[in-house]
Amino acid sequence: GENVEQHPSTLSVQEGDSAVIKCTYSDSASNYFPWYKQELGKRPQLIIDIRSNVGEKKDQRIAVTLNKTAKHFSLHITETQPEDSAVYFCAASKGYGQNFVFGPGTRLSVLP
Amino acid sequence: DAGVTQSPTHLIKTRGQHVTLRCSPISGHKSVSWYQQVLGQGPQFIFQYYEKEERGRGNFPDRFSARQFPNYSSELNVNALLLGDSALYLCASSLALPLYNEQFFGPGTRLTVL
Repeated sequence: GENVEQHPSTLSVQEGDSAVIKCTYSDSASNYFPWYKQELGKRPQLIIDIRSNVGEKKDQRIAVTLNKTAKHFSLHITETQPEDSAVYFCAASKGYGQNFVFGPGTRLSVLP
Repeated sequence: DAGVTQSPTHLIKTRGQHVTLRCSPISGHKSVSWYQQVLGQGPQFIFQYYEKEERGRGNFPDRFSARQFPNYSSELNVNALLLGDSALYLCASSLALPLYNEQFFGPGTRLTVL
């Protein structure tokens, strides 16, 4: 089955710097890759997603890139702010009725 | 518009007992998925239901079962509870099957098994 790895497990950056989180997946049939943000004690919330027919997608300070050949995708956050501090999860899915496989998460701390 | 709701919020059970967790999707959403999130880990997929039919099942033992009702709400049942079942159980709903459809998560039910 699908296996999703995520690095780093923890990341600390200074406010205003950029943060990059990387994920790799094992199943080449996976074709949808969402990213979720989970603040302490709260539910996961979708922040951006990308489909396999797209190489990059941006939404204001957040971008995701996908390399299907290498089977990895990355989350990029620019101009980080303290409110970006949270645990970020990547996930992969390969079709209707197929489950989402989540990575283990990255704890991002943005230091003021 | 109300989001996904789950009940109860917290639950404490002892080993061997049975538990039922409930989820109400966002109005108009027909798909519900269940996840188990152990502290410090990512959510693990348990079940996916769409139009009252099971459409996906994760790698969980038969002690776990679920169903979806005609109003699209859902129940997750766990029998013969083990200490390792202690976790946050998340429900997520989406308009249709969640590929390419954003999943909206509920607040979760925190289950503690003693």
